[in-house]
Amino acid sequence: ELKVEQNPLFLSMQEGKNYTIYCNYSTTSDRLYWYRQDPGKSLESLFVLLSNGAVKQEGRLMASLDTKARLSTLHITAAVHDLSATYFCAVDTGNQFYFGTGTSLTVIP
Amino acid sequence: NAGVTQTPKFRILKIGQSMTLQCTQDMNHNYMYWYRQDPGMGLKLIYYSVGAGITDKGEVPNGYNVSRSTTEDFPLRLELAAPSQTSVYFCASSYPPVNYGYTFGSGTRLTVV
Repeated sequence: ELKVEQNPLFLSMQEGKNYTIYCNYSTTSDRLYWYRQDPGKSLESLFVLLSNGAVKQEGRLMASLDTKARLSTLHITAAVHDLSATYFCAVDTGNQFYFGTGTSLTVIP
Repeated sequence: NAGVTQTPKFRILKIGQSMTLQCTQDMNHNYMYWYRQDPGMGLKLIYYSVGAGITDKGEVPNGYNVSRSTTEDFPLRLELAAPSQTSVYFCASSYPPVNYGYTFGSGTRLTVV
């Protein structure tokens, strides 16, 4: 059974601090996606990582993919309150995505 | 350009009732998907379709049925609703290959009582 594990599941961090969310997966794949979900809302695409070593950055968020280690990271730099949300990674197996359980991020002043 | 449209947004069903969740996309995407999201959890795939007339089961298909008669529409049918089907349902679509990720609808919040 394919597993996609995120950690931490819950993250409370102060504004201005840095932190990394990890996404480990158990199958061979070179396609990984990060999504953001605000409470009661749908999922918004953040990053699409399509090869080993891919790195994408948008504002205070940076995502990377290591397909050999089956690991993706989402790094948060100098967190601000607007980044409070749940973040999901998803692995593409060819026909479907498998989602992680999500990381609920709360940024506090 | 509406993207992926789901209706209804909210619904309360009694145990044993049936209903159809509607999903329509106007992006000419071949691939469409139905996911459910239980509280505090990730998304689980119910069914997917790679084109009109083609559907396949995902991780959690029991209690659901789908059809794909057109490229645009991918309805999800719940027969004999059960409390375990209380969830938020998301429809999504994409191009193959999935270089741009999925486009998600706004979701349907279903409660079975």
